[in-house]
Amino acid sequence: DAKTTQPTSMDCAEGRAANLPCNHSTISGNEYVYWYRQIHSQGPQYIIHGLKNNETNEMASLIITEDRKSSTLILPHATLRDTAVYYCIDKTSYDKVIFGPGTSLSVIP
Amino acid sequence: DAGVIQSPRHEVTEMGQEVTLRCKPISGHNSLFWYRQTMMRGLELLIYFNNNVPIDDSGMPEDRFSAKMPNASFSTLKIQPSEPRDSAVYFCASSRWTTGEGKNIQYFGAGTRLSVL
Repeated sequence: DAKTTQPTSMDCAEGRAANLPCNHSTISGNEYVYWYRQIHSQGPQYIIHGLKNNETNEMASLIITEDRKSSTLILPHATLRDTAVYYCIDKTSYDKVIFGPGTSLSVIP
Repeated sequence: DAGVIQSPRHEVTEMGQEVTLRCKPISGHNSLFWYRQTMMRGLELLIYFNNNVPIDDSGMPEDRFSAKMPNASFSTLKIQPSEPRDSAVYFCASSRWTTGEGKNIQYFGAGTRLSVL
């Protein structure tokens, strides 16, 4: 089962930063944190991953706490197209990724 | 690359019929995953392969479900006989596992929407 916890839903105003939190208190030292999103009627899409350091790519930034028990995905300037379900995942075992219910993000005009 | 390709995109069948879903992973990827998504249960991992070998099929709901990966570029998920409760969206994903690093970045197909009447 998924070992991460996320809020069920969040709203964000268009153009503002969306900060999506995730708790992964049981993560082990060599497990990555991954973020995916799923736009309605599409397959999940990889966003970003990290191990210990903060990461940034063209889609988002990932902030991981020093104890690695939680992380925050940041969409710096949310658009309506960012409305989706966002999944935070930690790898449970060899190549096995378990998706929880995720956070439903609504970007509001 | 064209990404992960699934076919068909939509399948409507009658209870008791055999259903075969197909997946072509991204070239060069050595891991392949089959998921099922429903409103009630969310996204569930059914089975995954590494280097064409099934590694974990503990998510396969029952014996009516079977999956094969005869080569690195093709996999099938078969349901025989199908039942109405099998209605769901079935996703295939592939990844390239890096030895010693443990990263598993999965790329998903567009899914097959299955309706069993």
